[in-house]
Amino acid sequence: DADVTQTPRNRITKTGKRIMLECSQTKGHDRMYWYRQDPGLGLRLIYYSFDVKDINKGEISDGYSVSRQAQAKFSLSLESAIPNQTALYFCATRPTGWNEQFFGPGTRLTVL
Amino acid sequence: TQLLEQSPQFLSIQEGENLTVYCNSSSVFSSLQWYRQEPGEGPVLLVTVVTGGEVKKLKRLTFQFGDARKDSSLHITAAQPGDTGLYLCAGAGNAGGTSYGKLTFGQGTILTVHP
Repeated sequence: DADVTQTPRNRITKTGKRIMLECSQTKGHDRMYWYRQDPGLGLRLIYYSFDVKDINKGEISDGYSVSRQAQAKFSLSLESAIPNQTALYFCATRPTGWNEQFFGPGTRLTVL
Repeated sequence: TQLLEQSPQFLSIQEGENLTVYCNSSSVFSSLQWYRQEPGEGPVLLVTVVTGGEVKKLKRLTFQFGDARKDSSLHITAAQPGDTGLYLCAGAGNAGGTSYGKLTFGQGTILTVHP
């Protein structure tokens, strides 16, 4: 079984709709991250969380919100989706004291 | 804000050729990582370099961290079609800095190795 799972894997939605992307992990890591990936731009950090009570904005948090429901769950929401939020979204986890991040398989989101 | 410039963005070569991917920054990183990503999957860590001047080898892949910990390179010897993929460098922020606990990613290099 995968250590970091993301649901859904693919989603097509319309402008203005609310969307939630979910991430779950069985690795027992405290730290979780949400990134978006666009061609030619690498991975850009949206939000990150060092534990359930610690949520931080990344470099591109506008238009997004997150919820850390438990150590193992970290959700990303788009309150009112817009076309330029069309991208590949990745969740990642990291153990405290290590720099390596472990990524989920990604969610491909298309906003029409 | 820390930035990592990765080059080239695209690389298309024949099997057996050598190649080098570069990652450069004006910022100092506590460590630098290289990830490889295949279509439909998330990035997977290849290596972490920590010490300035460090060189690590992983089979035909050689990774180097610059003396000042601001740049890194990935060299592949005798590339094979199985090396095809997206290669990403990522710098880890220093303890006590605003980037601590976060990774700054380069733009990525799409490598295609033709048989």
